[in-house]
Amino acid sequence: GENVEQHPSTLSVQEGDSAVIKCTYSDSASNYFPWYKQELGKRPQLIIDIRSNVGEKKDQRIAVTLNKTAKHFSLHITETQPEDSAVYFCAARGRAQKLVFGQGTRLTINP
Amino acid sequence: NAGVMQNPRHLVRRRGQEARLRCSPMKGHSHVYWYRQLPEEGLKFMVYLQKENIIDESGMPKERFSAEFPKEGPSILRIQQVVRGDSAAYFCASSPAPVETQYFGPGTRLLVL
Repeated sequence: GENVEQHPSTLSVQEGDSAVIKCTYSDSASNYFPWYKQELGKRPQLIIDIRSNVGEKKDQRIAVTLNKTAKHFSLHITETQPEDSAVYFCAARGRAQKLVFGQGTRLTINP
Repeated sequence: NAGVMQNPRHLVRRRGQEARLRCSPMKGHSHVYWYRQLPEEGLKFMVYLQKENIIDESGMPKERFSAEFPKEGPSILRIQQVVRGDSAAYFCASSPAPVETQYFGPGTRLLVL
């Protein structure tokens, strides 16, 4: 079945620096790749998503890139701020309509 | 426009009891997905339902777990004879169509004593 690998599991960056989180997926039929941010005790919140007909998408300080050939996609956060600290999950949707999630990345922004 | 609603937010059960978790999708959404999240882990798909139909239950244990999404009312995830390993956060998500974005509810945190 579909498998999504996410790296790194933890990431610590200085405020103002950039953070990059990477995911790979196994199902070549996957066509939708959302990223969710989850703060402690809260629900996952969609922050950006990309579909397979697009290579890159940007929304202010957040961008996502997709390489279909290599079956990997990445989240880029620039000019990080303390409120960016959270756990980030990538996901992929393949032949079935369910989302398959990565294991999560705990991002810590150091002031 | 209210988001996805789940209740209860917290549920404590003793081993052997039943747990019923409810999910009301966003207005206009007829597709519901249930996910389970163990502490410090990612979300694992359990079941995907459309009104009155189970579309995909490949992630749901065959024993003790069941789900429904009736024509009227919320979707319900039912866990019979709970065990300590069922302790987790259970999230539901909804979308207006299977190819659209899924929006998550606040989750139900189940603790089995």
